Amino acid sequence: DSGVTQTPKHLITATGQRVTLRCSPRSGDLSVYWYQQSLDQGLQFLIHYYNGEERAKGNILERFSAQQFPDLHSELNLSSLELGDSALYFCASSVGPSGNTDTQYFGPGTRLTVL
Amino acid sequence: DAKTTQPPSMDCAEGRAANLPCNHSTISGNEYVYWYRQIHSQGPQYIIHGLKNNETNEMASLIITEDRKSSTLILPHATLRDTAVYYCIVRGSGGGADGLTFGKGTHLIIQP
Repeated sequence: DSGVTQTPKHLITATGQRVTLRCSPRSGDLSVYWYQQSLDQGLQFLIHYYNGEERAKGNILERFSAQQFPDLHSELNLSSLELGDSALYFCASSVGPSGNTDTQYFGPGTRLTVL
Repeated sequence: DAKTTQPPSMDCAEGRAANLPCNHSTISGNEYVYWYRQIHSQGPQYIIHGLKNNETNEMASLIITEDRKSSTLILPHATLRDTAVYYCIVRGSGGGADGLTFGKGTHLIIQP
């Protein structure tokens, strides 16, 4: 158990809909990272927040957005969903804002299925 | 962050040591080598990381060559539960705000 929690575990929805995925970091961690894992693309970094502020963006679509709240939990919002958005979504947390020794710990993921 | 190269798959007998290689020939001086694994569709699990000295923890050992162009992750007594995809990732201080770059990793299969 990494100490990172994600809800829900599974989500099934229809094309065109909007969903929100939630992540609670480990106690004491200020950074939250979001990743997408699909069959054809592997694990890809989406976005990073540190202490409520956006720090870096990866391959995140404009239909996707995220935020980190004062209690440090984060939400990833996916809108106008398409079949191709079906994937596993992971969040990870770490203590600091950056750095090559800032280890990321991953949550169990949310499996999103778009029908 | 430097690119890494790993074999796509490996087999190992249960109870034996599993040695997973990784090439990172373009690694620069301040970049660390990280190893994660992913069991089935679970979240990636952190294993170990190092800069240039060999490292050991309760899960594994990491051996980094003197020129730092390659490394080996060693699982000393592999069990069936160690069957997973293992990712070798090089991480520099400049890319710290960005996420980890995962390649395809090595699918390690532990045989009974």
